[in-house]
Amino acid sequence: SQQGEEDPQALSIQEGENATMNCSYKTSINNLQWYRQNSGRGLVHLILIRSNEREKHSGRLRVTLDTSKKSSSLLITASRAADTASYFCATQNSGNTPLVFGKGTRLSVIA
Amino acid sequence: KAGVTQTPRYLIKTRGQQVTLSCSPISGHRSVSWYQQTPGQGLQFLFEYFSETQRNKGNFPGRFSGRQFSNSRSEMNVSTLELGDSALYLCASRRQGADNEQFFGPGTRLTVL
Repeated sequence: SQQGEEDPQALSIQEGENATMNCSYKTSINNLQWYRQNSGRGLVHLILIRSNEREKHSGRLRVTLDTSKKSSSLLITASRAADTASYFCATQNSGNTPLVFGKGTRLSVIA
Repeated sequence: KAGVTQTPRYLIKTRGQQVTLSCSPISGHRSVSWYQQTPGQGLQFLFEYFSETQRNKGNFPGRFSGRQFSNSRSEMNVSTLELGDSALYLCASRRQGADNEQFFGPGTRLTVL
């Protein structure tokens, strides 16, 4: 069953614009992770944010976490055509429990 | 360091057959997880192995099974294939630790005719 729900399901922007994707989840978490998947290929880990963190940066990526609202957002600044991919949030409840993925946001960046 | 490898990359089977997929984790990673990805259900967790023992299991029928060897390589087996088993099967490995990132392989695309 899905834990995270990404919003929007699809997003189309021009190169250079910022892209924001949101993720909501249902139960308490230990951490939340964002992954990228290029068409039909494996997932690539982007960033992990722990439940006691509110914001994290990595290059052009900025992730926020609001545990009171059970939501997270991923911001990609100055997007490039190469950012075109599906983006998934995944939550881990505790310890060595498995990751639970949302259904993803399909991002298209138009050059 | 070499990434996670999966073999074969593509597979076509017919209903009723069985299939075995293989995954080699990153060197030093002892945890291997398997996921099924379909357009309708998204990414669904199948099972996780750690030190040759199944540590977690998703909600899949008994036709789906797996194992892990002493070198951490893992296999998953699907018996009595159904059309609905057509999917991208992804394997991921991670280091021991409560909140480590997972490293995914390129996947095996299984088509059941």
